[in-house]
Amino acid sequence: AQKITQTQPGMFVQEKEAVTLDCTYDTSDQSYGLFWYKQPSSGEMIFLIYQGSYDEQNATEGRYSLNFQKARKSANLVISASQLGDSAMYFCAMRGNQGGKLIFGQGTELSVKP
Amino acid sequence: EAGVAQSPRYKIIEKRQSVAFWCNPISGHATLYWYQQILGQGPKLLIQFQNNGVVDDSQLPKDRFSAERLKGVDSTLKIQPAKLEDSAVYLCASSPRLGTGDTEAFFGQGTRLTVV
Repeated sequence: AQKITQTQPGMFVQEKEAVTLDCTYDTSDQSYGLFWYKQPSSGEMIFLIYQGSYDEQNATEGRYSLNFQKARKSANLVISASQLGDSAMYFCAMRGNQGGKLIFGQGTELSVKP
Repeated sequence: EAGVAQSPRYKIIEKRQSVAFWCNPISGHATLYWYQQILGQGPKLLIQFQNNGVVDDSQLPKDRFSAERLKGVDSTLKIQPAKLEDSAVYLCASSPRLGTGDTEAFFGQGTRLTVV
């Protein structure tokens, strides 16, 4: 069975500082994808970044980067230069190659302080 | 490109009543998902369609929930009868294709259901 674990229910960060949101996963699939989504108070899930299990380099998208450590089964999201608009819930998700099911962790609520 | 459309945005019903939610995925997307997100939790997959066929409905409470995707395009999720614990946001998402790990899902804004 596949599982995503996010152990930080809430995080605070000062504006303009960097923050790391933790994510660990469990799967028996050899090939899989890892995703991070942002969910602001409006409720929509916004795709941020993707990392493939066979990608040798960590994914980056603007201020977002994914610290992928395959042996440790972790896929932490790093947000550099935090902005007030980054305050939201952040979800780590995984999709294996068995039917395309996308499963989510419990989420981390990030609050950016001015 | 138009995103995933959902309606209604909000719904309040009494327990034991029925309710239906509608979703129109991004044009051309073969895969459609319905998720249930209870307050403070991550989304939980209820059902996944590939075109108009069901791929996974293992977590759908089939005694009260039903879903269909006629003609492989838009979809309807129904709850009958509703219980208090069904209060949640119901998210619809779509993907271009099934299966491979690199396909992200695009989400609608969700329907917030309150059962009183």
